[in-house]
Amino acid sequence: GAVVSQHPSRVICKSGTSVKIECRSLDFQATTMFWYRQFPKKSLMLMATSNEGSKATYEQGVEKDKFLINHASLTLSTLTVTSAHPEDSSFYICSARDYLAFFGQGTRLTVV
Amino acid sequence: KQEVTQIPAALSVPEGENLVLNCSFTDSAIYNLQWFRQDPGKGLTSLLLIQSSQREQTSGRLNASLDKSSGRSTLYIAASQPGDSATYLCAVRPNSGGGADGLTFGKGTHLIIQP
Repeated sequence: GAVVSQHPSRVICKSGTSVKIECRSLDFQATTMFWYRQFPKKSLMLMATSNEGSKATYEQGVEKDKFLINHASLTLSTLTVTSAHPEDSSFYICSARDYLAFFGQGTRLTVV
Repeated sequence: KQEVTQIPAALSVPEGENLVLNCSFTDSAIYNLQWFRQDPGKGLTSLLLIQSSQREQTSGRLNASLDKSSGRSTLYIAASQPGDSATYLCAVRPNSGGGADGLTFGKGTHLIIQP
């Protein structure tokens, strides 16, 4: 099956710094990727839709200036959490769709 | 706005039992429904996908059904094993006509199979 690789799997950063998370589709081209966020014991919530070569589409309530998304190629989308705060600590996971929706391994972000 | 509910939130059963996980959704205008498995601190593994025109899908010991008109899906796990312990997530894709739509997830059912 198709593989989506997400890196890093875990990151700890200081408050006020920025963190970049990469999402790659390894064996298929993805014109669209999705970024989700999961809080403990909560559903995965769609944050934004990443479109290759154009601006991302953000869900209501998601700050586009805080969560910067770049989809520069058909196999790579990046999510940058800017000026991170402790409340940004969460599990972030990306998805790319071939026939099925395939998900990365997720990134556990802890902001201290 | 689509809402997905999964019942029960948690389930613990002895090894070997057959079990059913339930998923309901409020908007029947879906493109497909997908069941995932999530292990602690890990990403999602796709288990089964049911298109809106289908009634069920089977893979090994897993069988998923879909009743779109009533907004319900079930995941049946036969002869459960300790390795089946995980959180099972149900997600629907909207039938908006476009290709780029994110999924709406339920909160999941946390399943524990006791050896």
